[in-house]
Amino acid sequence: DIQMTQSPSSLSASVGDRVTITCRASQGISNYLAWYQQKPGKVPKLLIYAASTLQSGVPSRFSGSGSGTDFTLTISSLQPEDVATYYCQKYNSAPGTFGPGTKVDIK
Amino acid sequence: EVQLLESGGGLVQPGGSLRLSCAASGFTFSSYAMSWVRQAPGKGLEWVSAISGSGGSTYYADSVKGRFTISRDNSKNTLYLQMNSLRAEDTAVYYCAKGRKSGWYVEIYFDYWGQGTLVTVSS
Repeated sequence: DIQMTQSPSSLSASVGDRVTITCRASQGISNYLAWYQQKPGKVPKLLIYAASTLQSGVPSRFSGSGSGTDFTLTISSLQPEDVATYYCQKYNSAPGTFGPGTKVDIK
Repeated sequence: EVQLLESGGGLVQPGGSLRLSCAASGFTFSSYAMSWVRQAPGKGLEWVSAISGSGGSTYYADSVKGRFTISRDNSKNTLYLQMNSLRAEDTAVYYCAKGRKSGWYVEIYFDYWGQGTLVTVSS
């Protein structure tokens, strides 16, 4: 099975900073990659699918890029409400493996 | 408005069984693949199982294959997860989740999630 890794595992940044999270697949998955945001005590929320397509209603400060094995999620200007854990997920075929998550908080 | 409401969680002894249900509303249930995703306390997300809209195709994580069975009743707009031979490591919040796109393909990324139901496996 394809393994998903994320880096860093956690980060602390200031409001307004540009934040980048990396996700790597152990084999190529084309652009079958989704990103989710999970705020503390809440249900996961779909942010991006097809590696770079923003889900309806998601703020434009979120963006995704990549294809094949290497992907990034970027928050262009970190806001206090972005404190959360972010997960990538591959969905080219079952299993729909998630990455281990990246915890983002405010410095 | 899409709503997914899980039920059936609880405390069960190792080796025991439990059946989870997820009542869906607000969309044409039979047109969408559905999945179960779990999250152990303080841990990350783990995809568990998926089923096509018709129920004819099912998929499982290796960690639950042979022990869990996913099914659906499209006449009742309800998704199920039958869990047998439960282990301590199955302790988690179990979410049902809706595939984002309708169609024959089993979409295993999700635009709506339920609130989850907690399963605790302990003696």
